Amino acid sequence: GAGVSQTPSNKVTEKGKYVELRCDPISGHTALYWYRQSLGQGPEFLIYFQGTGAADDSGLPNDRFFAVRPEGSVSTLKIQRTERGDSAVYLCASSLNPGLNTEAFFGQGTRLTVV
Amino acid sequence: DQQVKQNSPSLSVQEGRISILNCDYTNSMFDYFLWYKKYPAEGPTFLISISSIKDKNEDGRFTVFLNKSAKHLSLHIVPSQPGDSAVYFCAAGGSGTYKYIFGTGTRLKVLA
Repeated sequence: GAGVSQTPSNKVTEKGKYVELRCDPISGHTALYWYRQSLGQGPEFLIYFQGTGAADDSGLPNDRFFAVRPEGSVSTLKIQRTERGDSAVYLCASSLNPGLNTEAFFGQGTRLTVV
Repeated sequence: DQQVKQNSPSLSVQEGRISILNCDYTNSMFDYFLWYKKYPAEGPTFLISISSIKDKNEDGRFTVFLNKSAKHLSLHIVPSQPGDSAVYFCAAGGSGTYKYIFGTGTRLKVLA
């Protein structure tokens, strides 16, 4: 596709369950970011990949959150033992090269609701 | 501690007039700033950016002004159009990092 694709667009899960959120970046983009946007807030940085490696995971809130990008393209954000406070829109973005002055393109997000 | 602040949660402007959206930051290490626009059920889309070596950047109807001494930037949209109605996020980042710090957004409504 032409843009960043995230699946599913909506996910409802029970507290304590495990979820996976998928991001397909724009083809050829080496940099990939995950952000989380809670209601009434701006996007909050979670993790940044350059190629296959997580170059900066300082935004992951705790060890229940983990993300992978095994082949340097598709990325999966994994959340274990979900809590109601994890409910948010999870946004993925990609850019051609790393660096703040390279435009990052965002997907439409996955709205996660933990009940 | 909110490093990037957008103190106006909403703004209404008449079509054809100027819209001014404001953003303040606290971290003097920030040297790159961006504005993103977000429509409902869509991801944010890049609008315009500015480096700290400049004090103004213009792209069509959109101009961003940066006042480093005041740690303040603003986005001017002129003339405003109904299609500009969206949530606008200010974001900032520093050299050597790859993450943006976003403000909480300002909802702009342009009235026809």
